[in-house]
Amino acid sequence: NAGVTQTPKFQVLKTGQSMTLQCAQDMNHEYMSWYRQDPGMGLRLIHYSVGAGITDQGEVPNGYNVSRSTTEDFPLRLLSAAPSQTSVYFCASNRELTDTQYFGPGTRLTVL
Amino acid sequence: SQQGEEDPQALSIQEGENATMNCSYKTSINNLQWYRQNSGRGLVHLILIRSNEREKHSGRLRVTLDTSKKSSSLLITASRAADTASYFCATDADDYKLSFGAGTTVTVRA
Repeated sequence: NAGVTQTPKFQVLKTGQSMTLQCAQDMNHEYMSWYRQDPGMGLRLIHYSVGAGITDQGEVPNGYNVSRSTTEDFPLRLLSAAPSQTSVYFCASNRELTDTQYFGPGTRLTVL
Repeated sequence: SQQGEEDPQALSIQEGENATMNCSYKTSINNLQWYRQNSGRGLVHLILIRSNEREKHSGRLRVTLDTSKKSSSLLITASRAADTASYFCATDADDYKLSFGAGTTVTVRA
């Protein structure tokens, strides 16, 4: 099993550009989440999903969209990138509610 | 807002020594988890302790949970250079969501 995969690993955007961060898992987990990690802070939840077709907002959802058309994939879309979205983004999946989360390797995003 | 807070923020120890870090949280929980993050990598799950458990072991790791004080501790015994990492506690603040603290950065000196 590959576990949780994320692409790309690094990305540089200009302010106002849009892009999609990809996340996929092959563990047949129902629950998936997106976090951002900024220096000196823990992970903050952006959006999460409890199954295909079901998504909800986390702590810092503004400026981000998600969809969950399949169990495996959970892409995160930045609609109009801002410098405040410069961060490291992690995708995670888990089998049961608030159970062990399996994290991807992260995407380091810089917005100029 | 962060539910859990780790203490200390940073810890530097000699190889072979023990490392202890603490996590305090604000509201009642079902379980508390500890994760490790090596520099530039994703988080790796270390241990999960449920609210009805007081202590749990995994290899050189020992986790305690005191629900009356709303606190947990992670002890790493006989530390190694490979233990150099950031350690995070995570609590299930409400359904579906984990809340992470800001982490403790541990440096193990050779």
